[in-house]
Amino acid sequence: SAVISQKPSRDICQRGTSLTIQCQVDSQVTMMFWYRQQPGQSLTLIATANQGSEATYESGFVIDKFPISRPNLTFSTLTVSNMSPEDSSIYLCSVAGTSAPNTGELFFGEGSRLTVL
Amino acid sequence: KQEVTQIPAALSVPEGENLVLNCSFTDSAIYNLQWFRQDPGKGLTSLLLIQSSQREQTSGRLNASLDKSSGRSTLYIAASQPGDSATYLCAVRAGANNLFFGTGTRLTVIP
Repeated sequence: SAVISQKPSRDICQRGTSLTIQCQVDSQVTMMFWYRQQPGQSLTLIATANQGSEATYESGFVIDKFPISRPNLTFSTLTVSNMSPEDSSIYLCSVAGTSAPNTGELFFGEGSRLTVL
Repeated sequence: KQEVTQIPAALSVPEGENLVLNCSFTDSAIYNLQWFRQDPGKGLTSLLLIQSSQREQTSGRLNASLDKSSGRSTLYIAASQPGDSATYLCAVRAGANNLFFGTGTRLTVIP
């Protein structure tokens, strides 16, 4: 399994500001994934963070709104830019298991609960 | 597009009961199916992973089955405990980055 740490665990922000969420993994991983979970909803994939290249965004998500950094194989950040109340969600970082054999099992961080006023 | 449905949306049972949570998916071309547990306001904890070639997986009081041809999976919880209270999510992997989540079943185990 992989141990994933996210910061902050929660925050309350003002409309129009930006917040950067950090994700640290205890082992090197090729791909890291960022998900959003809006209140009462299931998870939606925002983007895949690739080390050494630009992130790959899913339909409906753009780099200007959700810029992602991936400086090395154990760390990534997601920024939520120019926030509005509709951005209030739990943001989750995820990685595929690093132990052999690679079963494709996904592991998640504790999430970052964001409230925009 | 793959659609994942979980029924029921919410379930309350007295402590000690055995229970079954259901997950259905529309496209049987999957790589694997994973069950997660989510406590309120928290992240996801992986419970069981079933590869497309497998029929079931067991971990402690949990047993997950997979019937790919009919597009169904069940999560069986034996001898439920109040600590099992959480939302249970199933997710189907249809490709390298394509993981489709259900909306979850919120389980309450009453002491």
